[in-house]
Amino acid sequence: DTAVSQTPKYLVTQMGNDKSIKCEQNLGHDTMYWYKQDSKKFLKIMFSYNNKELIINETVPNRFSPKSPDKAHLNLHINSLELGDSAVYFCASSQSPTSGQETQYFGPGTRLLVL
Amino acid sequence: SQQGEEDPQALSIQEGENATMNCSYKTSINNLQWYRQNSGRGLVHLILIRSNEREKHSGRLRVTLDTSKKSSSLLITASRAADTASYFCATGGNAGNMLTFGGGTRLMVKP
Repeated sequence: DTAVSQTPKYLVTQMGNDKSIKCEQNLGHDTMYWYKQDSKKFLKIMFSYNNKELIINETVPNRFSPKSPDKAHLNLHINSLELGDSAVYFCASSQSPTSGQETQYFGPGTRLLVL
Repeated sequence: SQQGEEDPQALSIQEGENATMNCSYKTSINNLQWYRQNSGRGLVHLILIRSNEREKHSGRLRVTLDTSKKSSSLLITASRAADTASYFCATGGNAGNMLTFGGGTRLMVKP
């Protein structure tokens, strides 16, 4: 069984469109994250949610809006896509920050290409 | 800028040799983790070392941490072709268990 899954795996879209990426984890974790990996492979945190509540929001354009309907899901909606949004987006999950279990489990990534 | 900087950026060795990757960071940490990323895949956790630990082993992996120098190293002994991947260090311990990643070392192990 896949622990952290993301859909879609690939996303090709036109500039200006709105798109969503979905993430689900079946590990029973309380905390979920979104990371962006650019073409040079640098990986940067975007958002973190703990038990459906936002706890980290790095400097990310407000065109990006995460939504957590329950603690097993963290979706990422992107409005008005720009060329610079092209990247691989990774979802991850972990136990709660206070649990002492800091290992994060990553999804397979969503490769977004904006044309 | 990245919290962690990794060195070397790329490493090519023969199967059976040892591979050493280094990571430096800038601020105080609670823990440092190493992850592996195979091409086109997500990251897989390898090992975590806490700020009060100096060395940790897991199978063929050995990680050291020197908090006075703000550096860590990952040693893979007796490398195999299957170890070919990118290896990232990540520092943690900030609010919300946020991990800050380095730029990664691309390791190629030739059979």
